[in-house]
Order: sequence, then structure tokens, then C-alpha cells
Amino acid sequence: DAKTTQPPSMDCAEGRAANLPCNHSTISGNEYVYWYRQIHSQGPQYIIHGLKNNETNEMASLIITEDRKSSTLILPHATLRDTAVYYCIVRLPTLNNAGNMLTFGGGTRLMVKP
Amino acid sequence: DTGVSQDPRHKITKRGQNVTFRCDPISEHNRLYWYRQTLGQGPEFLTYFQNEAQLEKSRLLSDRFSAERPKGSFSTLEIQRTEQGDSAMYLCASSPYNYGYTFGSGTRLTVV
Repeated sequence: DAKTTQPPSMDCAEGRAANLPCNHSTISGNEYVYWYRQIHSQGPQYIIHGLKNNETNEMASLIITEDRKSSTLILPHATLRDTAVYYCIVRLPTLNNAGNMLTFGGGTRLMVKP
Repeated sequence: DTGVSQDPRHKITKRGQNVTFRCDPISEHNRLYWYRQTLGQGPEFLTYFQNEAQLEKSRLLSDRFSAERPKGSFSTLEIQRTEQGDSAMYLCASSPYNYGYTFGSGTRLTVV
């Protein structure tokens, strides 16, 4: 799976948009970008994923650049409950014995402040 | 079914003892995963089941670690002869497909 690079920490004011960047310059054509977050003392939570088109769901939006070498997760109106570590993961979607894992990096620790 | 359930939430054990953790996945999910997370790090993949078959176990940290899923439902992770370095959060996840994992809240192991 391609390696990802994320800033170790970010701050965001409550009610403002939080934009979390991720670089994945070695991504291959059939690898997806996934985002998970982990709130303190809980397991990671799936947020969103995409291949090349921008995606939106009830939690967030995912913007993937045209060359697919980077992406941004957008939380449109951050709340205090969005304080968490956000992980960007790039992987193949197809099942194979060795490749069905998620490879987590260090993630970005987002602090939403009042 | 409210999600992936892990038991116990916390476990303190003395070095050299054996410990076993249980994971109950979401009932319709046929895939089950174990991860380990140490302080300040992202989760690290350990092993994976599809139904009762353990399809990937090369990432288990040593031969002291073993996992089972005997009937394709719940799973157990056992650590024999625990060491202080085994202290970590052990996470279980399940999925029906290759994406959209649902993780449990984990079992925090402290070896003293």
C-alpha cells in the first residue's frame, strides 16, 4: 500500500471548517483513499473513502486532486466532538490474503477549540 | 446489534501470565480483524479471519500470540507468557466488504 504523509497536529475553531491534508504521491491507479478517525479511548471510526472523484457523506467531504497525489478531508462545521486523531490510508479495495489490512500511519491530531 | 463488542475493556496481568480477549463482531459481518495499538501510534494489523478461516497470521507478533474464530462468529486472541512490551490496546474490527471496517472499543492490556 502507498505511504501517506499527514501533519502531526492541527487546530480548528469550533463552527469553522476543518481541512485535513494528506499526501500520497506514490498512490497507484487502483488504490483508494480512506479516512478514519479515532476519538480518545475508542476504536477508529470509518469516515469516507474515494478513488478519484470528490465524495461527500453526512460526516465529511473528501477532495482528491486530479493527479491523485494528495487529498483533503473537510469537516464543514467542526464541533468539539470532532477532536480526534484522523488517519488517511491508501489501499487496494480488492480482497487478497495479505492485503486486506489497513496500514495506519501516525495521523493528524485535530484539536477543535471553542 | 450495536456494533463490535470486546471483552474485557481493561486487563491487568502479571508478567508471564496468559491472557485471552474476546471479540463479538457485527452478526452479518463475515470478516474479522485484530489490531494492536501502542501509545501514540496508529493501530497495527495482527491477523484476519474470513468466517472461521484465518487467512493472514504472518503479522502476529510472535508465537506467543494466537487467535481463533471457531464457528465463524466470535473470536479470541490469546497471549501466552505475557511480557511488559505486550502492554497495548488490542482492537477488533469486522466488515462485510473490503472497506468500511467497524472497530470495537478495544481491550487495554497492562502487564506489570
